[in-house]
Amino acid sequence: EAGVVQSPRYKIIEKKQPVAFWCNPISGHNTLYWYRQNLGQGPELLIRYENEEAVDDSQLPKDRFSAERLKGVDSTLKIQPAELGDSAVYLCASSLGAGGPYEQFFGPGTRLTVL
Amino acid sequence: AQKVTQAQTEISVVEKEDVTLDCVYETRDTTYYLFWYKQPPSGELVFLIRRNSFDEQNEISGRYSWNFQKSTSSFNFTITASQVVDSAVYFCALSQREEYNFNKFYFGSGTKLNVKP
Repeated sequence: EAGVVQSPRYKIIEKKQPVAFWCNPISGHNTLYWYRQNLGQGPELLIRYENEEAVDDSQLPKDRFSAERLKGVDSTLKIQPAELGDSAVYLCASSLGAGGPYEQFFGPGTRLTVL
Repeated sequence: AQKVTQAQTEISVVEKEDVTLDCVYETRDTTYYLFWYKQPPSGELVFLIRRNSFDEQNEISGRYSWNFQKSTSSFNFTITASQVVDSAVYFCALSQREEYNFNKFYFGSGTKLNVKP
C-alpha cells in the first residue's frame, strides 16, 4: 500500500516569492493534516480537512497561507509571499478518521528554505 | 499552554543500554489518546503506539515498552537493549476532543536519542 506522498522534498526560494506544496494521502483516508515542523520542535498543526472541508484552520496564518483539497483527495498548501520565518519542514499526514483513536500516517515532508 | 512536555531534549546511550523517554501531558478531558512517534534521520514520522485514557495497562512490544500512569499524567517509553537503529527523535502526542467534536493533536517537542556503538 502506498504511503502519503509529498512533493517537492526540498524547496529553496527567496523571500517574497510564492511556493506550493502538494500532498496525496493514503487511499481511503478522509482526514488530511498539514503540519509545520520547525527545527528541534514537534509538528504544529496548520490545517485539518475532513474530505474537502477545512474543519480546523485556526493555526493557519491566513494572510499568507492558503490550502485546498479539491475532490477530497490530494491537497495543496500555498504560501504567498514567503517570509524568512517560514523556513521549516511542512508535513502532510492522513488518517481514516479525525483525531484519536486514529493514528496519523505521515509523508516525508517538504523542507522549505527561504533566503 | 503546553499540552505535552518532553523534558529530555537529547539523550545519549551506548548500545545495549536501556533508556527511558519521559512524557508528561496535560488535559482536562476524561477521554483522550496518547501516542508515540519515531522520526528517524530520513524525516518521516512513524507511528509506534496509541493508548486511550481508559486503558492504563502497560504494553510491551519486543524491546519497546510503555508505562501509562494517569495519576502522574505520564506516558513513558522504554527501549530495552538499545541499538544504533533506535537513534531518532521520538515524539509523544496527545489527542483530545475540542471544538466540533473533533480531536486535536498536540505533539511534544521531542527527545533526540543517540545510540552509540
